[in-house]
Amino acid sequence: SYELTQPLSVSVALGQTARILCGGNNIGDKNVHWYQQKSGQAPVVVIYSDNNRPSGIPERFSVSKSGNTATLSISRAQAGDEADYYCQVWDNSAGVFGGGTKLTVL
Amino acid sequence: QVQLMQSGGEVKRPGASVKVSCKASGYTFSSYGISWMRQAPGQGLEWMGWVSPSNGKTNYAQKFQGRVTMTTDTSTNTVDMELRSLTSDDTAVYYCARVASYFDLWGRGTLVIVSS
Repeated sequence: SYELTQPLSVSVALGQTARILCGGNNIGDKNVHWYQQKSGQAPVVVIYSDNNRPSGIPERFSVSKSGNTATLSISRAQAGDEADYYCQVWDNSAGVFGGGTKLTVL
Repeated sequence: QVQLMQSGGEVKRPGASVKVSCKASGYTFSSYGISWMRQAPGQGLEWMGWVSPSNGKTNYAQKFQGRVTMTTDTSTNTVDMELRSLTSDDTAVYYCARVASYFDLWGRGTLVIVSS
């Protein structure tokens, strides 16, 4: 079955750029979606279909893809960005999530 | 208001079954599929399956095949997820989410505790 690999944790200084990687075989051929989950809350989509932001999500959130890796970048990181982030794709009609990355803003 | 309202938390004994409900409002129910995910304590998100409210078609994750059933009721705009033969490993928060190629609308989650 298809697997997505994320680092367990990423730290970023306040105001700097955080980068969260999501690795998967031929991920470039798939639409990748990203979710933010704050403590005790349901996930919220922050990027869908590679690099589309829902209304209300700031331009500071962006995605790039290269090879077998998709990268969520959060520029000018704020304390409010602290959360768990999950990448997700569809593979043969089955949903697949990465293991999640805990972002800490220092 | 566009939302998914989930049923309340449950405590079940090992071997029992649980049914969690997800009631949609504020949009055309039959136009979007509904997926169920779960999240064990301190763990990541796990996709369980998908159901189409328009025709009842389902697609379950292989891990849950034979143990999960997802059904829809278009008269009440409700999707139910039943999980059988519960073990302590099924203790988790269960989420329903609307599928718009991605999960664009989530319920608030239902905590299911399996304990003897």
